[in-house]
Amino acid sequence: SQQGEEDPQALSIQEGENATMNCSYKTSINNLQWYRQNSGRGLVHLILIRSNEREKHSGRLRVTLDTSKKSSSLLITASRAADTASYFCATDLESSYKLIFGSGTRLLVRP
Amino acid sequence: KAGVTQTPRYLIKTRGQQVTLSCSPISGHRSVSWYQQTPGQGLQFLFEYFSETQRNKGNFPGRFSGRQFSNSRSEMNVSTLELGDSALYLCASSFGGSYNEQFFGPGTRLTVL
Repeated sequence: SQQGEEDPQALSIQEGENATMNCSYKTSINNLQWYRQNSGRGLVHLILIRSNEREKHSGRLRVTLDTSKKSSSLLITASRAADTASYFCATDLESSYKLIFGSGTRLLVRP
Repeated sequence: KAGVTQTPRYLIKTRGQQVTLSCSPISGHRSVSWYQQTPGQGLQFLFEYFSETQRNKGNFPGRFSGRQFSNSRSEMNVSTLELGDSALYLCASSFGGSYNEQFFGPGTRLTVL
């Protein structure tokens, strides 16, 4: 089974609206990362948040991490059509040297 | 800096054949990881190499193997191909490993007939 599970599986919003995606995981982590993938192509790193951090910002992205609940959220503000993609959370397990990806959220931003 | 490159980009093979995929990491990166992506199973970790040593391996059969060379370039090999091996194979490089940002290549799309 996968370490990270995203919610919702799919999300459709209007351009300009905010999009929130959630990720839950099962075991202790070093860090949690978010990636974006367009149309089955390679993944692009968005943001990395370490286990001792609670919130991080990068441009229109805001990520929170709650290690007590083993969950994270990704907020994209003022969405654009170009944000249409699949978004994955990935957890780095302690001392494992591997990233475990969640199942992803498919985001559609309608113009 | 040039990004992560993977060759070939597309491959068509038949069952029972073997295949070798190549990955050139970003200059200076010593960690290379491989992932398999399928519609049904999603993104699954295959293995990670750092300075020519495999540090971790995912839950894949022994038909899947890899190696890393002294220049950090990596190859993965799949022997005795099965239909279920059809997938997008992604390679990622980073400076130190999974605790760093991973830079992904465009992937190799393997189709097994």
